Amino acid sequence: AQSVTQPDIHITVSEGASLELRCNYSYGATPYLFWYVQSPGQGLQLLLKYFSGDTLVQGIKGFEAEFKRSQSSFNLRKPSVHWSDAAEYFCAVGARPGGSYIPTFGRGTSLIVHP
Amino acid sequence: DTAVSQTPKYLVTQMGNDKSIKCEQNLGHDTMYWYKQDSKKFLKIMFSYNNKELIINETVPNRFSPKSPDKAHLNLHINSLELGDSAVYFCASSQDPAGNEQYFGPGTRLTVT
Repeated sequence: AQSVTQPDIHITVSEGASLELRCNYSYGATPYLFWYVQSPGQGLQLLLKYFSGDTLVQGIKGFEAEFKRSQSSFNLRKPSVHWSDAAEYFCAVGARPGGSYIPTFGRGTSLIVHP
Repeated sequence: DTAVSQTPKYLVTQMGNDKSIKCEQNLGHDTMYWYKQDSKKFLKIMFSYNNKELIINETVPNRFSPKSPDKAHLNLHINSLELGDSAVYFCASSQDPAGNEQYFGPGTRLTVT
């Protein structure tokens, strides 16, 4: 069964500092990978996705993520964090055609931004 | 235009009552989902419908009954509400049934007293 691990429950950074949120997955093949952001009181919004090709993918709001097959990781990065980035971040695994149909989310990482 | 909408946004009710949450998407997607998010933000899929057909039912108590009258709507009815049902319920949709690239509604915060 597929699974997603986000090892950090909380991450605290200063505004302007760089950010990396970790995500590891378990899947029988190369999965489809996603990062979502949830602002307080809101639903989830897709930040970026990886299906195939270039392992460094760009997303909205200045975020990027890198797929590393050897490490089964898909870490999210941002070079300079803004206070408005404070939110909950979820890594998720989808399925390729013919694969498992159960979308799986990590438990989330709460990002706290200090001024 | 709201892509995925849910009503109501807040729902406060007593144990034992029956309640419904409605969801509509105007994205033309074929697949819709219900998720439950607990107080620790853990997001757990409950149901998924593809073209009005149930394709995922993740060991949810049978007090929960989804209903999809058409592709654009997926409602959730809950019978005999319990304290443990208190959570935020999210509706989502995607073009494909594998759950890729989902669009989420704003959530319904259910409080059972």
